[in-house]
Amino acid sequence: KQEVTQIPAALSVPEGENLVLNCSFTDSAIYNLQWFRQDPGKGLTSLLLIQSSQREQTSGRLNASLDKSSGRSTLYIAASQPGDSATYLCAVRPKDSGGYQKVTFGTGTKLQVIP
Amino acid sequence: EAQVTQNPRYLITVTGKKLTVTCSQNMNHEYMSWYRQDPGLGLRQIYYSMNVEVTDKGDVPEGYKVSRKEKRNFPLILESPSPNQTSLYFCASSFRHSTDTQYFGPGTRLTVL
Repeated sequence: KQEVTQIPAALSVPEGENLVLNCSFTDSAIYNLQWFRQDPGKGLTSLLLIQSSQREQTSGRLNASLDKSSGRSTLYIAASQPGDSATYLCAVRPKDSGGYQKVTFGTGTKLQVIP
Repeated sequence: EAQVTQNPRYLITVTGKKLTVTCSQNMNHEYMSWYRQDPGLGLRQIYYSMNVEVTDKGDVPEGYKVSRKEKRNFPLILESPSPNQTSLYFCASSFRHSTDTQYFGPGTRLTVL
Protein backbone atom coordinates (compact mmCIF):
# COMPACT_ATOMS: atom_id res chain seq x y z
CA LYS A 1 0.00 0.00 0.00
CA GLN A 2 1.31 3.42 -0.99
CA GLU A 3 2.24 5.66 1.93
CA VAL A 4 3.07 9.34 1.57
CA THR A 5 4.99 11.25 4.23
CA GLN A 6 5.65 14.95 4.55
CA ILE A 7 8.28 16.20 6.95
CA PRO A 8 8.32 18.55 8.75
CA ALA A 9 4.69 18.86 9.78
CA ALA A 10 5.20 22.57 10.41
CA LEU A 11 7.77 25.12 9.36
CA SER A 12 8.27 28.76 10.27
CA VAL A 13 10.65 30.97 8.27
CA PRO A 14 11.37 34.70 7.98
CA GLU A 15 10.18 36.51 4.89
CA GLY A 16 12.58 36.38 1.95
CA GLU A 17 14.07 33.04 2.82
CA ASN A 18 14.25 30.22 0.27
CA LEU A 19 12.80 26.97 1.55
CA VAL A 20 12.27 23.34 0.63
CA LEU A 21 9.32 21.14 1.50
CA ASN A 22 9.70 17.38 1.34
CA CYS A 23 7.42 14.57 0.24
CA SER A 24 8.33 10.88 0.40
CA PHE A 25 6.41 7.94 -1.01
CA THR A 26 6.96 4.21 -0.57
CA ASP A 27 6.06 2.83 -4.00
CA SER A 28 7.81 4.30 -7.02
CA ALA A 29 5.20 2.96 -9.46
CA ILE A 30 3.28 6.20 -9.93
CA TYR A 31 1.59 8.09 -12.75
CA ASN A 32 2.29 11.49 -11.31
CA LEU A 33 2.75 13.59 -8.19
CA GLN A 34 0.88 16.80 -7.52
CA TRP A 35 1.57 19.62 -5.07
CA PHE A 36 -1.31 21.64 -3.59
CA ARG A 37 -1.70 24.48 -1.16
CA GLN A 38 -4.59 24.75 1.25
CA ASP A 39 -5.51 27.92 3.07
CA PRO A 40 -7.35 27.62 6.41
CA GLY A 41 -10.95 26.59 5.90
CA LYS A 42 -10.55 26.54 2.15
CA GLY A 43 -10.23 24.02 -0.64
CA LEU A 44 -7.08 22.84 -2.35
CA THR A 45 -5.35 24.81 -5.06
CA SER A 46 -3.13 22.92 -7.47
CA LEU A 47 0.41 24.28 -7.67
CA LEU A 48 2.38 21.86 -9.81
CA LEU A 49 1.87 18.47 -11.42
CA ILE A 50 4.87 16.29 -12.28
CA GLN A 51 4.37 13.30 -14.54
CA SER A 52 6.38 10.16 -13.77
CA SER A 53 8.55 10.76 -16.84
CA GLN A 54 9.49 14.28 -15.71
CA ARG A 55 12.17 15.40 -13.29
CA GLU A 56 10.85 18.83 -12.40
CA GLN A 57 8.24 21.49 -13.02
CA THR A 58 8.44 25.23 -12.44
CA SER A 59 5.85 27.93 -11.94
CA GLY A 60 6.98 31.37 -10.90
CA ARG A 61 8.80 31.14 -7.58
CA LEU A 62 7.93 27.46 -7.22
CA ASN A 63 9.97 24.52 -8.42
CA ALA A 64 9.02 20.90 -7.82
CA SER A 65 11.33 17.98 -8.42
CA LEU A 66 10.66 14.27 -8.61
CA ASP A 67 13.04 11.37 -8.00
CA LYS A 68 11.02 8.21 -8.45
CA SER A 69 13.87 5.84 -7.70
CA SER A 70 14.32 7.25 -4.22
CA GLY A 71 10.61 7.94 -3.69
CA ARG A 72 11.06 11.63 -3.09
CA SER A 73 9.75 14.96 -4.27
CA THR A 74 10.67 18.44 -3.13
CA LEU A 75 8.88 21.75 -3.48
CA TYR A 76 11.25 24.69 -3.56
CA ILE A 77 9.84 28.13 -2.78
CA ALA A 78 12.10 31.05 -3.60
CA ALA A 79 12.04 34.37 -1.78
CA SER A 80 9.16 33.40 0.51
CA GLN A 81 6.40 35.93 1.24
CA PRO A 82 3.78 36.11 4.02
CA GLY A 83 1.17 35.24 1.38
CA ASP A 84 2.85 31.85 0.98
CA SER A 85 1.67 30.90 4.48
CA ALA A 86 -0.56 27.85 4.05
CA THR A 87 -0.53 24.09 4.32
CA TYR A 88 1.23 22.36 1.45
CA LEU A 89 0.11 18.89 0.44
CA CYS A 90 1.55 16.37 -1.98
CA ALA A 91 -0.48 13.61 -3.61
CA VAL A 92 0.56 10.62 -5.70
CA ARG A 93 -1.43 8.67 -8.26
CA PRO A 94 -0.11 5.12 -8.07
CA LYS A 95 0.10 2.55 -10.82
CA ASP A 96 -1.65 -0.23 -9.01
CA SER A 97 -1.56 -3.69 -10.51
CA GLY A 98 -4.96 -4.30 -8.97
CA GLY A 99 -6.47 -1.73 -11.30
CA TYR A 100 -7.35 0.75 -8.61
CA GLN A 101 -7.03 4.43 -9.34
CA LYS A 102 -6.76 5.66 -5.80
CA VAL A 103 -4.94 8.85 -4.92
CA THR A 104 -2.85 9.05 -1.76
CA PHE A 105 -2.17 12.33 0.02
CA GLY A 106 0.50 13.24 2.52
CA THR A 107 -0.61 14.88 5.76
CA GLY A 108 0.93 18.19 4.77
CA THR A 109 3.45 20.77 5.90
CA LYS A 110 2.05 23.88 7.54
CA LEU A 111 4.18 26.83 6.48
CA GLN A 112 4.28 30.16 8.23
CA VAL A 113 6.26 33.00 6.67
CA ILE A 114 6.97 35.71 9.22
CA PRO A 115 7.10 39.33 7.98
CA GLU B 1 -15.50 29.83 -15.32
CA ALA B 2 -14.12 26.30 -14.95
CA GLN B 3 -14.98 25.02 -11.52
CA VAL B 4 -16.07 22.27 -9.20
CA THR B 5 -19.03 23.17 -7.04
CA GLN B 6 -20.31 21.48 -3.90
CA ASN B 7 -23.53 21.94 -1.97
CA PRO B 8 -24.17 22.51 0.79
CA ARG B 9 -21.01 24.17 2.09
CA TYR B 10 -22.00 23.63 5.71
CA LEU B 11 -24.37 21.07 7.17
CA ILE B 12 -25.32 20.08 10.69
CA THR B 13 -27.49 17.00 10.97
CA VAL B 14 -28.43 14.23 13.38
CA THR B 15 -27.50 10.57 13.47
CA GLY B 16 -29.42 8.44 11.03
CA LYS B 17 -30.92 11.18 8.88
CA LYS B 18 -30.07 10.49 5.25
CA LEU B 19 -28.26 13.24 3.40
CA THR B 20 -26.72 13.96 0.02
CA VAL B 21 -23.83 16.25 -0.79
CA THR B 22 -23.83 17.29 -4.41
CA CYS B 23 -20.79 17.80 -6.61
CA SER B 24 -20.80 19.22 -10.10
CA GLN B 25 -18.05 20.13 -12.57
CA ASN B 26 -18.33 22.08 -15.81
CA MET B 27 -15.06 20.95 -17.42
CA ASN B 28 -16.26 17.72 -19.06
CA HIS B 29 -13.93 15.76 -16.82
CA GLU B 30 -14.05 11.98 -16.83
CA TYR B 31 -12.59 11.34 -13.39
CA MET B 32 -14.30 12.49 -10.22
CA SER B 33 -13.55 11.69 -6.63
CA TRP B 34 -14.64 12.30 -3.05
CA TYR B 35 -12.26 12.84 -0.12
CA ARG B 36 -12.64 13.47 3.55
CA GLN B 37 -10.15 15.48 5.56
CA ASP B 38 -9.64 14.91 9.26
CA PRO B 39 -7.04 16.42 11.63
CA GLY B 40 -3.96 14.24 11.85
CA LEU B 41 -5.22 11.88 9.14
CA GLY B 42 -5.00 14.14 6.13
CA LEU B 43 -7.08 13.65 3.01
CA ARG B 44 -8.43 10.17 2.39
CA GLN B 45 -10.23 9.03 -0.70
CA ILE B 46 -13.78 7.75 -0.21
CA TYR B 47 -14.96 6.86 -3.72
CA TYR B 48 -13.93 7.69 -7.24
CA SER B 49 -15.45 7.43 -10.67
CA MET B 50 -13.62 6.86 -13.92
CA ASN B 51 -16.64 7.83 -16.05
CA VAL B 52 -20.42 7.62 -16.20
CA GLU B 53 -21.70 4.49 -14.43
CA VAL B 54 -18.15 3.51 -13.39
CA THR B 55 -17.40 3.91 -9.69
CA ASP B 56 -15.07 2.23 -7.22
CA LYS B 57 -14.11 2.34 -3.58
CA GLY B 58 -11.28 4.40 -2.22
CA ASP B 59 -9.60 3.87 1.12
CA VAL B 60 -12.54 4.72 3.41
CA PRO B 61 -15.83 3.84 1.64
CA GLU B 62 -17.74 2.44 4.63
CA GLY B 63 -20.95 4.33 5.31
CA TYR B 64 -20.99 6.15 1.96
CA LYS B 65 -22.59 5.65 -1.42
CA VAL B 66 -22.05 7.40 -4.73
CA SER B 67 -23.58 7.42 -8.19
CA ARG B 68 -22.48 8.75 -11.56
CA LYS B 69 -25.48 8.97 -13.83
CA GLU B 70 -24.23 12.04 -15.64
CA LYS B 71 -20.70 13.06 -16.46
CA ARG B 72 -20.88 16.38 -14.65
CA ASN B 73 -22.41 15.20 -11.35
CA PHE B 74 -21.08 12.91 -8.63
CA PRO B 75 -23.21 13.05 -5.47
CA LEU B 76 -22.07 11.60 -2.15
CA ILE B 77 -24.81 9.89 -0.17
CA LEU B 78 -24.78 9.12 3.53
CA GLU B 79 -27.69 6.74 4.10
CA SER B 80 -27.43 6.74 7.90
CA PRO B 81 -24.87 9.29 9.07
CA SER B 82 -22.99 8.71 12.29
CA PRO B 83 -20.86 11.09 14.40
CA ASN B 84 -17.63 9.54 13.08
CA GLN B 85 -18.57 10.92 9.66
CA THR B 86 -18.19 14.45 10.97
CA SER B 87 -15.53 15.80 8.66
CA LEU B 88 -14.58 18.20 5.89
CA TYR B 89 -15.48 16.72 2.51
CA PHE B 90 -13.96 17.60 -0.85
CA CYS B 91 -14.99 16.69 -4.34
CA ALA B 92 -12.38 16.72 -7.10
CA SER B 93 -12.24 16.12 -10.82
CA SER B 94 -9.71 15.69 -13.59
CA PHE B 95 -9.92 15.09 -17.32
CA ARG B 96 -8.12 11.77 -17.18
CA HIS B 97 -7.52 9.61 -14.15
CA SER B 98 -3.83 9.09 -14.56
CA THR B 99 -2.21 12.14 -16.05
CA ASP B 100 -4.15 15.27 -15.35
CA THR B 101 -4.36 17.90 -12.65
CA GLN B 102 -7.08 17.43 -10.08
CA TYR B 103 -9.35 20.40 -9.42
CA PHE B 104 -11.01 20.61 -6.05
CA GLY B 105 -14.30 21.99 -4.89
CA PRO B 106 -14.51 24.41 -1.94
CA GLY B 107 -15.40 21.74 0.59
CA THR B 108 -18.42 20.78 2.68
CA ARG B 109 -18.13 20.87 6.43
CA LEU B 110 -20.42 18.22 7.86
CA THR B 111 -21.29 17.81 11.53
CA VAL B 112 -23.29 14.77 12.65
CA LEU B 113 -24.72 15.07 16.15
